[in-house]
Parts: sequence; C-alpha cells; structure tokens
Amino acid sequence: DGGITQSPKYLFRKEGQNVTLSCEQNLNHDAMYWYRQDPGQGLRLIYYSQIVNDFQKGDIAEGYSVSREKKESFPLTVTSAQKNPTAFYLCASSMSGGNQPQHFGDGTRLSIL
Amino acid sequence: GENVEQHPSTLSVQEGDSAVIKCTYSDSASNYFPWYKQELGKRPQLIIDIRSNVGEKKDQRIAVTLNKTAKHFSLHITETQPEDSAVYFCAAPHSGGGADGLTFGKGTHLIIQP
Repeated sequence: DGGITQSPKYLFRKEGQNVTLSCEQNLNHDAMYWYRQDPGQGLRLIYYSQIVNDFQKGDIAEGYSVSREKKESFPLTVTSAQKNPTAFYLCASSMSGGNQPQHFGDGTRLSIL
Repeated sequence: GENVEQHPSTLSVQEGDSAVIKCTYSDSASNYFPWYKQELGKRPQLIIDIRSNVGEKKDQRIAVTLNKTAKHFSLHITETQPEDSAVYFCAAPHSGGGADGLTFGKGTHLIIQP
C-alpha cells in the first residue's frame, strides 16, 4: 500500500543501543498502529494511537516507546530494555472510529549485531 | 482482550480445489472480522472483511462466513490457483469497540499443489 512508508527496510542493532523505526502515512488516517511479527506467529500489537499527541500500550509494549507529534508520523523506538528485538515490525493505519480496515507498510526487519 | 484461534496452521490443496480456513474468537462484542494475505517478506494485504450484521460475504473466488452464536468465522477460497499460495491471517478487534487495533490469529500457510 503506497500510502504507508516504513524505513529503513533492514536495521541492525548493537548491544545497549536504541534504534528508531520510521512510519509515515499520507492517507489522512487518524489511527496508527505498530505490530511485531515473529516466525510462525501472528502479528502482536505493540502500541497504537487514535489521535495526535495520544497513544496507548498494546499487548507487548515493554521495551518500546512511541510518539505521535504529527498525524502523518508514528515512529517506534526499540530500546535497550527490549532483550529480544529481532523481528519483523509492521506499521498500519486506519480511519478513526474503530472496526476499520487497516493498511500496512512494507515493514522493517530488525536484527541484532 | 480478544483471543483469536486459527486452524489449520498449514493447508495443502490441489490446484483447482477449494480451501477453508477457520477462526474462533472469544469476545462476543466483536463485530468486525478481516482476513489478510501475506506473501513471504511482504506486507499483509486485506483480502476480505465482514461485519456482524451479515452472515456471508463474497468477492469472486473468496468468501467469508460468520457465525456469531458460535463465535467463529471462516475463509473459503474456491478454484485455487498457484498465486493463492501465501500465509493467511484472520483478525478480530483487540477489544469489542475496535478502536485499539486488531488481534490476529497465528496464520495458515496455504500451499497450492500443481
């Protein structure tokens, strides 16, 4: 879906390092989400934001942080407190109001050096 | 929160045959059920969704059925083709209102045998 851009496509993290994954959307969607995908697992919700300057923890928020200063942007920081960060990270967005189709970006694959 | 179970984890069918993937959910307040297709290393793409005010929805070779009483919904693919090979995920609202993301099943790897 060309409306959501994630970068970088691949990212490597060193021990003790924080890294930030970018997610930008031009769909004018109010809601944005971050999911983590591990092999053989479904997508698990990390954080979500329904509106600018507001965000909520999902099921696996520990070791992650987010910000939502602009409607178009929802960056995810993987902190050094996240001991098992190797995964495929997917950003999504949807219209507000709940129960709306979510559109995904191409994902960022994070690995440990 | 919602709990979504998806079966089977792997499904192999002959090209031209039908495939059925089933999901159950736990929250009776859930009222939106999307299905996503994900090819290897790519983004999940919405292929069909259904809301609780209908029992079935079709889009060409793809259909979804919903049984709210039993709290399960199924994806049906008819006349399967090689390009249908992928991982399919069902999902339901993370909480009944749906404003806080989706809970996904663990996925079904669909293999179309030539």
